[in-house]
Amino acid sequence: DVKVTQSSRYLVKRTGEKVFLECVQDMDHENMFWYRQDPGLGLRLIYFSYDVKMKEKGDIPEGYSVSREKKERFSLILESASTNQTSMYLCASSYGTRTDTQYFGPGTRLTVL
Amino acid sequence: EDQVTQSPEALRLQEGESSSLNCSYTVSGLRGLFWYRQDPGKGPEFLFTLYSAGEEKEKERLKATLTKKESFLHITAPKPEDSATYLCAVNSNSGYALNFGKGTSLLVTP
Repeated sequence: DVKVTQSSRYLVKRTGEKVFLECVQDMDHENMFWYRQDPGLGLRLIYFSYDVKMKEKGDIPEGYSVSREKKERFSLILESASTNQTSMYLCASSYGTRTDTQYFGPGTRLTVL
Repeated sequence: EDQVTQSPEALRLQEGESSSLNCSYTVSGLRGLFWYRQDPGKGPEFLFTLYSAGEEKEKERLKATLTKKESFLHITAPKPEDSATYLCAVNSNSGYALNFGKGTSLLVTP
């Protein structure tokens, strides 16, 4: 079974803090993704990575950065957290081609006060 | 721009009452259509991938079908444990990302 894990289920941070969300997959997948999910807006792609140290912006990259130093680990960084970044953050991974199924982690519910 | 629309937004069924969820899409070259189930506070759980019109896939009480413009998720004799939000997503020539619909929230009552 594919397993995608995320470092925290719930996180509370203050405005202006630097926040790290980590994601690890154990299936040797090439591609990894970060989405955020908000009521009424659905899932929106923030960043993705198709190889180690490679990254591409998604639909809403502003205020975020990412890091992928190892194949199994993909980190999302909020450089200076703001209240409008309060959301559910979901990490996903897929094997190799664009059409491969994406498997999701359990999500991190981030609240920025 | 790719568009994915799911209907209805919410659906309430009695246990055993079969129904269908709809996902209509407008994309520049469909490469795959995906169905996920999501329970409250959890990540989406993969159900099916469909790649070409006419394709069908089944798993227990669920059956997914695909045409050139839409996909249906048929639920036969649902049980309360089928209550969840069902998400449809497409991958197209635009790139790696999935474009998600807003989901259908299904409630099955005993």
